Amino acid sequence: DIVMTQSPDSLAVSLGERATINCRSSRSVLYRSNNKNYLAWYRQKPGQPPELLIYWASTRESGVPDRFSGSGSGTDFTLTISSLQAEDVAVYYCQQYYIAPLTFGPGTKVDLK
Amino acid sequence: EVQLVESGGGLVQPGRSLRLSCAASGFTFNDYAMHWVRQAPGKGLEWVSGINWNSGSIDYADSVKGRFNISRDNAKNSLYLQMNSLRAEDSALYYCAKDYSSSSNAFDVWGQGTMVTVSS
Repeated sequence: DIVMTQSPDSLAVSLGERATINCRSSRSVLYRSNNKNYLAWYRQKPGQPPELLIYWASTRESGVPDRFSGSGSGTDFTLTISSLQAEDVAVYYCQQYYIAPLTFGPGTKVDLK
Repeated sequence: EVQLVESGGGLVQPGRSLRLSCAASGFTFNDYAMHWVRQAPGKGLEWVSGINWNSGSIDYADSVKGRFNISRDNAKNSLYLQMNSLRAEDSALYYCAKDYSSSSNAFDVWGQGTMVTVSS
């Protein structure tokens, strides 16, 4: 199974400041035949189901604000929130869909400083 | 509006069975793979099982393999999870999630979840 890890476990950011979350997979999730990274990011606000932010490691889902961006390839990935808003207080998860069993990272909790 | 509504959760004794359902609306159900994802209270997300558009490809997490069975009825726009031999560690909020495509991919729509509690 592909094991996903995230860092940090939690972080506190001031409104308008940048938040950076890292995700690492135990093996590459880059499918060379189509050059796509099978990696997604989700935001889960308190008491709500997760919502898709980013797929293919860097493609923003429709309707997701452009302050969210994803980068990385192979085994190392980053989610950046360029200017944190109050509604971004949440837990963020990365997920690989390269191969079953599909696996999530443990989550990174983002709070306001 | 694209919507997923789960049902069937509840309190069940260890060793017993439970069947979850997910009613889909607002999209062409038989074009997409579907999944079950669970979240124990205060914990992270765990993918449980996925099924492609025509039930030709099915996968399970190791933790439920041999005990859970996923299925779908495209005529009824419904997804199911038959859970047998339930254990305390199966207690969680179970989400139904729509795949981005016909086979396993990212999950672009989630339901609100149905709670399963396994306890004597």
